[in-house]
Amino acid sequence: AQSVTQLGSHVSVSEGALVLLRCNYSSSVPPYLFWYVQYPNQGLQLLLKYTTGATLVKGINGFEAEFKKSETSFHLTKPSAHMSDAAEYFCAVSKTNFGNEKLTFGTGTRLTIIP
Amino acid sequence: DTAVSQTPKYLVTQMGNDKSIKCEQNLGHDTMYWYKQDSKKFLKIMFSYNNKELIINETVPNRFSPKSPDKAHLNLHINSLELGDSAVYFCASSQLFPSRGDNEQFFGPGTRLTVL
Repeated sequence: AQSVTQLGSHVSVSEGALVLLRCNYSSSVPPYLFWYVQYPNQGLQLLLKYTTGATLVKGINGFEAEFKKSETSFHLTKPSAHMSDAAEYFCAVSKTNFGNEKLTFGTGTRLTIIP
Repeated sequence: DTAVSQTPKYLVTQMGNDKSIKCEQNLGHDTMYWYKQDSKKFLKIMFSYNNKELIINETVPNRFSPKSPDKAHLNLHINSLELGDSAVYFCASSQLFPSRGDNEQFFGPGTRLTVL
């Protein structure tokens, strides 16, 4: 079984400060990992994903995440927060085997940007 | 052009009623999903269809019945609605590329269901 733990249901950072959202996963097989963002009253939008290859993954809007197998982590970072980054962020995991696998989501982290 | 669309966006109804939510994707994907997001924002898979065949059916009450008339559409019918069914329901689609093996899913805007 797979699972995802997001530490901190709410994170507040000042505009211009570093954003760090934590995600740890549990998987019996090498995982595929995703970060999605949900703006108020909208659907989910993919920020970035890790499948294979380079462990540092760059996504949209200046976000990046690093897959660390030894720490079973996939933390999301952005060097400088912008007001428009305020949203709910979800980490998700799926299996790598063939077949159309479901995504297992974490419980989400609400990011608030302080002006 | 909207990639994954859902109708209606909002649905308010009384307990005991039967309602449907429709989903359409114009991405040419072969797999579609229904997720439920509860009041605490927790997202959980309900169903998945691949080329009109049910492939994932999580522990969901049988009052929920998905129907896929073709691979571009996946509708969700709910019978005898209960208060606990109030949630946001998201449709998603994906195309599996065996050579890549990943599973990027594209989500619709959601349908907020309120049961009174």
